Amino acid sequence: GAVVSQHPSWVICKSGTSVKIECRSLDFQATTMFWYRQFPKQSLMLMATSNEGSKATYEQGVEKDKFLINHASLTLSTLTVTSAHPEDSSFYICSASLAGSTDTQYFGPGTRLTVL
Amino acid sequence: GNSVTQMEGPVTLSEEAFLTINCTYTATGYPSLFWYVQYPGEGLQLLLKATKADDKGSNKGFEATYRKETTSFHLEKGSVQVSDSAVYFCALRIDTGGFKTIFGAGTRLFVKA
Repeated sequence: GAVVSQHPSWVICKSGTSVKIECRSLDFQATTMFWYRQFPKQSLMLMATSNEGSKATYEQGVEKDKFLINHASLTLSTLTVTSAHPEDSSFYICSASLAGSTDTQYFGPGTRLTVL
Repeated sequence: GNSVTQMEGPVTLSEEAFLTINCTYTATGYPSLFWYVQYPGEGLQLLLKATKADDKGSNKGFEATYRKETTSFHLEKGSVQVSDSAVYFCALRIDTGGFKTIFGAGTRLFVKA
């Protein structure tokens, strides 16, 4: 089946530094990738929708300058948390849709970010 | 607005017990409805889906019926196994000028042998 990987699976960083999280579709081409944030015991909140070769569409309330998203190829999207602060600590999950399919998403295992 | 509400967990059952996890939604328009499952240490996986009213999604012994009149999509399984222990997410997908998926908070299920 379609597999999505994320790297790293967990990261700890100091306040003020930037962290990059990669999301890869391993065996399919993904024209659209989504980035979610999940707080403990809460639902996944959509942060942005990323289409290959174009700028990401951010949800209301998500700072685009803080959460930089790049979708440079059909198999890779990256989320960079810039100038991270402790309140950015969270579980970040990406998903990808197959080219030509709007209904099915394949999810990565998530990345746990802890900002000290 | 669009939202999904599902029963709080955790739900603890003995093996072979009957499972129901309630899910209701509000939506502007006609959403598709989904159940995702997340096993420990893994990403979310699609469990089943239904795209229109009265459709029944089913997979691995799980079922859910799209009830437009009650805006519900309850997940059921007649006999759970220990391997069903996971977190279950109800979700809707709707076109708001681009498709968007909205998730419920998730319900953790523990099945005891």
